[in-house]
Amino acid sequence: GEDVEQSLFLSVREGDSSVINCTYTDSSSTYLYWYKQEPGAGLQLLTYIFSNMDMKQDQRLTVLLNKKDKHLSLRIADTQTGDSAIYFCAETGSQGNLIFGKGTKLSVKP
Amino acid sequence: KAGVTQTPRYLIKTRGQQVTLSCSPISGHRSVSWYQQTPGQGLQFLFEYFSETQRNKGNFPGRFSGRQFSNSRSEMNVSTLELGDSALYLCASSSGQVRHEQYFGPGTRLTVT
Repeated sequence: GEDVEQSLFLSVREGDSSVINCTYTDSSSTYLYWYKQEPGAGLQLLTYIFSNMDMKQDQRLTVLLNKKDKHLSLRIADTQTGDSAIYFCAETGSQGNLIFGKGTKLSVKP
Repeated sequence: KAGVTQTPRYLIKTRGQQVTLSCSPISGHRSVSWYQQTPGQGLQFLFEYFSETQRNKGNFPGRFSGRQFSNSRSEMNVSTLELGDSALYLCASSSGQVRHEQYFGPGTRLTVT
């Protein structure tokens, strides 16, 4: 079945890099996504990667895709306290909907 | 461009009642999807509407229904509310041409007592 797994918590110090990992099951997913959710808010689309790409960089964000291992990661460079949030990995399901992981709560310590 | 708006933001209902939630997509977007977010189950897909037609549906009971109007605004309805329906209900819009880029609203927090 379709499933997305990610670790639940990550704690880093301000200024360090954060790496959030995700594994997915549907190899036919065309796009893979990272969303951010701050307390009391909806989901913010951070970035996405097309399945035929290995890497995508967007300012402080770097997405790496290992299609063979069905592994996706999000690296945040120079992590700031404002980056504290829950980060969701998502793939495209067979119906075109998004299938989300349970989310990784990133805590940034000053 | 204004983002996705959802009303109301918070709602408290009693078990057995029904509720209607509203979503206005980004201007020009024709697809609206609804998701339920709970601490236990995470984010789960409810349904998607495109040009007033339900295009896809998740695995939710028939008590959950929706519709879309000609201006792309969408409503979802939950009848005979149960305690387990307490959740954050999120809607997302996409253009249709770039269907995969879904932009979410702030959600409606529904509490069933």
